[in-house]
Amino acid sequence: EAEVAQSPRYKITEKSQAVAFWCDPISGHATLYWYRQILGQGPELLVQFQDESVVDDSQLPKDRFSAERLKGVDSTLKIQPAELGDSAMYLCASSWGPGMNTEAFFGQGTRLTVV
Amino acid sequence: GQQVMQIPQYQHVQEGEDFTTYCNSSTTLSNIQWYKQRPGGHPVFLIQLVKSGEVKKQKRLTFQFGEAKKNSSLHITATQTTDVGTYFCAGISSNTGKLIFGQGTTLQVKP
Repeated sequence: EAEVAQSPRYKITEKSQAVAFWCDPISGHATLYWYRQILGQGPELLVQFQDESVVDDSQLPKDRFSAERLKGVDSTLKIQPAELGDSAMYLCASSWGPGMNTEAFFGQGTRLTVV
Repeated sequence: GQQVMQIPQYQHVQEGEDFTTYCNSSTTLSNIQWYKQRPGGHPVFLIQLVKSGEVKKQKRLTFQFGEAKKNSSLHITATQTTDVGTYFCAGISSNTGKLIFGQGTTLQVKP
């Protein structure tokens, strides 16, 4: 069964360092989401792509976070510099796309710890 | 901005008791989805509701979408220990197309 691949699974970094997460969605999925989930809370949408275009990044802290999906396939989320409050699970998800209103498939996530 | 609220935040039940979680959106939704996240896992899709007033069942789970397409509920009949986890509703805004999650309801089932 096709899966959303994320790497790394775990990342420990010092504050003020740069960190990057990678996501490979299910083949053919046009919509890609990056969510941040703090323990005990719901996933918070950071950025939503439709193919290579950003649909929404209103909750992305743009002073330190950036996201790209250059060829409309895999995606990278970067944080520079990392802060202690960025410690969370970063989840990537993908779906077929708008107008099809289908389920989002989630990857296993990257658990980030900033020390 | 769009908000999706869920209540209660936690629910502890005795095995065999029923459970209900409620979801309310600040804006009209084109559809609503429900996900389950087991401890240490990632959200897994359960179902999607699209039509106003729609009701769907999956074995012991009953899902409803409100007439105004701004609220939804998930009801589990006769809970089992395998139902343990956090249940999230997620709405797609009619205006923005964004998939926004509620805070989730964590269900604990005592055997």
